[in-house]
Amino acid sequence: NAGVTQTPKFRILKIGQSMTLQCTQDMNHNYMYWYRQDPGMGLKLIYYSVGAGITDKGEVPNGYNVSRSTTEDFPLRLELAAPSQTSVYFCASSYLFDRAPYNEQFFGPGTRLTVL
Amino acid sequence: KNQVEQSPQSLIILEGKNCTLQCNYTVSPFSNLRWYKQDTGRGPVSLTIMTFSENTKSNGRYTATLDADTKQSSLHITASQLSDSASYICVVRDPGRAGNMLTFGGGTRLMVKP
Repeated sequence: NAGVTQTPKFRILKIGQSMTLQCTQDMNHNYMYWYRQDPGMGLKLIYYSVGAGITDKGEVPNGYNVSRSTTEDFPLRLELAAPSQTSVYFCASSYLFDRAPYNEQFFGPGTRLTVL
Repeated sequence: KNQVEQSPQSLIILEGKNCTLQCNYTVSPFSNLRWYKQDTGRGPVSLTIMTFSENTKSNGRYTATLDADTKQSSLHITASQLSDSASYICVVRDPGRAGNMLTFGGGTRLMVKP
């Protein structure tokens, strides 16, 4: 299993440009997440999905959009990129079932995005 | 607001030495706490999970402790190796939030020098 894969690894955008960060998992996990990690700060949740067709906002959703058309894929869309979106983005997945508190989130390798 | 605070922010030790990383949390009620290791340029990987009833758990040279009364956890690394150079992140599950939501600490950046 490849686990959680993300593309691209690096990207530089100009202010106002748009892009999609791709995330795919092959573990048949129902939950998927997008985080951003700023230097010295804890990961912040942007959006999450509990299954295909269902998404919800996390702590910092402004400026981003997501979709979940399949179990495997969870792309993150940046519209009108701003310098404040310069960060490292991590996708994660987990298998959550009722009353199971220990489910581990598995992370992808990250996408380093710079907006100039 | 639930928080997870880690100390120190960074640490440099010599290869072969031991070190201890600290984590204080305010998340309540408590469900579980994980320590993740994040190598440079990689995503976090779970080292160990601590639940309410566990005080100590080892994973090779890594030993995690938990004091649920004082809401503190520590990660002790024994006989450090160069490959231990990484960020170590304390993560607490927040049962008050839907979807297996986690609160992340800012991490401790460990550098092991030869």
